[in-house]
Amino acid sequence: EPEVTQTPSHQVTQMGQEVILRCVPISNHLYFYWYRQILGQKVEFLVSFYNNEISEKSEIFDDQFSVERPDGSNFTLKIRSTKLEDSAMYFCASSRPGSTEAFFGQGTRLTVV
Amino acid sequence: QQQVKQSPQSLIVQKGGIPIINCAYENTAFDYFPWYQQFPGKGPALLIAIRPDVSEKKEGRFTISFNKSAKQFSLHIMDSQPGDSATYFCAASRGSGNTGKLIFGQGTTLQVKP
Repeated sequence: EPEVTQTPSHQVTQMGQEVILRCVPISNHLYFYWYRQILGQKVEFLVSFYNNEISEKSEIFDDQFSVERPDGSNFTLKIRSTKLEDSAMYFCASSRPGSTEAFFGQGTRLTVV
Repeated sequence: QQQVKQSPQSLIVQKGGIPIINCAYENTAFDYFPWYQQFPGKGPALLIAIRPDVSEKKEGRFTISFNKSAKQFSLHIMDSQPGDSATYFCAASRGSGNTGKLIFGQGTTLQVKP
């Protein structure tokens, strides 16, 4: 069964450092998303991406964040200068055209120290 | 108006019981209401979803009840099993033509005791 894959599974970084979280969405999907989940809290929308551009972003998704689809398979989330409060589980999701069903990856646990 | 409120925060039932998790929303533009199941260390997995043109949907042991006038929907798990122990999230989205952004509830941690 096709699945969304994310790497790495766990990343520890120093405050102020840049991190790139990587995702390979399901191959025939065209809509891509990043969500985050702070430990013990709900899943929060960060950004949606379609046709090589951001279609919607939340208030959380400030200038420190960026997304990119550098090739035909990867979808990345970059945090330029990490803060302690960026520590969370980050989930990538994708959906196919005409469907609202989003498939989530296993997540990347980001720990900022 | 973008919020989805979910209750209870946690729930413990005996095997075979019927846990019920409730969600309420305010934005009448929402037209897609999925439930996600999440096991520790895993991503949310779609369990079942409903659109407001029906009042109930069943898939296996999982049932969604939808009350459009009250802007509420709930998940019932029939004959619950220890393997159903997980965190359950309701969510809402505006459907086709939109960005697909999901607004999640706070989550309910379910424990099914053997």
